[in-house]
Amino acid sequence: AQSVTQLDSHVSVSEGTPVLLRCNYSSSYSPSLFWYVQHPNKGLQLLLKYTSAATLVKGINGFEAEFKKSETSFHLTKPSAHMSDAAEYFCVVRRGGYNKLIFGAGTRLAVHP
Amino acid sequence: DARVTQTPRDKVTEMGQEVTMRCQPILGHNTVFWYRQTMMQGLELLAYFRNRAPLDDSGMPKDRFSAEMPDATLATLKIQPSEPRDSAVYFCASGLVTGTGNTGELFFGEGSRLTVL
Repeated sequence: AQSVTQLDSHVSVSEGTPVLLRCNYSSSYSPSLFWYVQHPNKGLQLLLKYTSAATLVKGINGFEAEFKKSETSFHLTKPSAHMSDAAEYFCVVRRGGYNKLIFGAGTRLAVHP
Repeated sequence: DARVTQTPRDKVTEMGQEVTMRCQPILGHNTVFWYRQTMMQGLELLAYFRNRAPLDDSGMPKDRFSAEMPDATLATLKIQPSEPRDSAVYFCASGLVTGTGNTGELFFGEGSRLTVL
């Protein structure tokens, strides 16, 4: 069955420095993968999605992710962190054809001045 | 601006009481999901519906939880009787599945924070 593993529970960066949030997936076929973001006391919002088109996916707020089949990875990156990026980020895989999303454990991103 | 609406946003209740959480999905969406979020377990899928029919509720404790969609504009999640271990944030999400496939995107409400004393 499809699953995702987020390799870091917490990541801390300085404002203006690059962000890397790591995610590995497990799937017997080409998966649909997503990154969602959750700001404090808010619901989740879609950042970007990969559905077997381009392997480099651009999302909102300057985030992007690259699907690497050889490494079974879907890491999320941003060239320059902003204070407003502080949030929890979830790597997600879709299981089946009914939008059934399986969430990773989450990575909490802290951004320091 | 279309959004998923959940009520109540916060609920404090005593053990043994019935709790009902409500969700209004985005108009036109045909799938609805209930997730529960806790520090220990993260985000867990409790139940999901397509065209108001329950497709999977295997993640839900059957003895005390029930989920329904009385109509296309309302989904409910009920806990009876509630227990302290049910304390969590419950999220509703909706999405659109079409005959040609689906985007996989879900739109989440802001959640209902439940505290059972």
